[in-house]
Amino acid sequence: SYELTQPPSVSVSPGQTASISCSGDKLDNKYVCWYQQKPGQSPVMVMFQDRKRPSGIPERFSGSNSGNTATLTISGTQAMDEADYYCQTWDSSNAVFGGGTKLTVL
Amino acid sequence: QVQLVQSGAEVKKPGSSVKVSCRASGGTFSSSSVNWVRQAPGQGLEWMGRSIPVPGKANYAQKFKGRVTITADQSTSTTYLELSSLRVEDTGVYYCARDPTYGSGSYFELDSWGQGTLVTVSS
Repeated sequence: SYELTQPPSVSVSPGQTASISCSGDKLDNKYVCWYQQKPGQSPVMVMFQDRKRPSGIPERFSGSNSGNTATLTISGTQAMDEADYYCQTWDSSNAVFGGGTKLTVL
Repeated sequence: QVQLVQSGAEVKKPGSSVKVSCRASGGTFSSSSVNWVRQAPGQGLEWMGRSIPVPGKANYAQKFKGRVTITADQSTSTTYLELSSLRVEDTGVYYCARDPTYGSGSYFELDSWGQGTLVTVSS
């Protein structure tokens, strides 16, 4: 079965750029979404079709997908961006999630 | 504004079944699927399956085939997840989520989520 691999944790200082990676075989042949989940809350989609931001998601969030790696980038990271982030794609009639990355803003 | 409202928390014994509901309002669901995603305590997200906009049809993740049944009542805009032969490791929060891109090729995106339903399996 298809697998997506994310780093367990990423740390960033406020105002700096955070990059969260998501790796999978020939991932750029698929579309990737990203979800943000804060403690005790439901996930929220922050990126779809690799690089499109849903309405209401700040412009500091951007996405890319090339080769085997998709990346979620948060420019000018704010304290409110501290959360778990999950990548997700669709393969062989199944939705597949990465294991999640805890973003710490310190 | 799409809203998905789920039923309340459940406590179940091992070996029993649970049925969780997800009522939709607002938005368009004629070309949407309603998906179920599980999250065990302290763990990540796991896709279980989906109800698709073809009456009586659903797709299931291989891991849950035979134990999960997803149904939809079009008249009440409600989707149901039933999980049988419950085990302690089925404890977690169960979310429903809408994918508005069903039938659009290789797109899949969960743009609206329910509030989650905690299912606790304990003897």
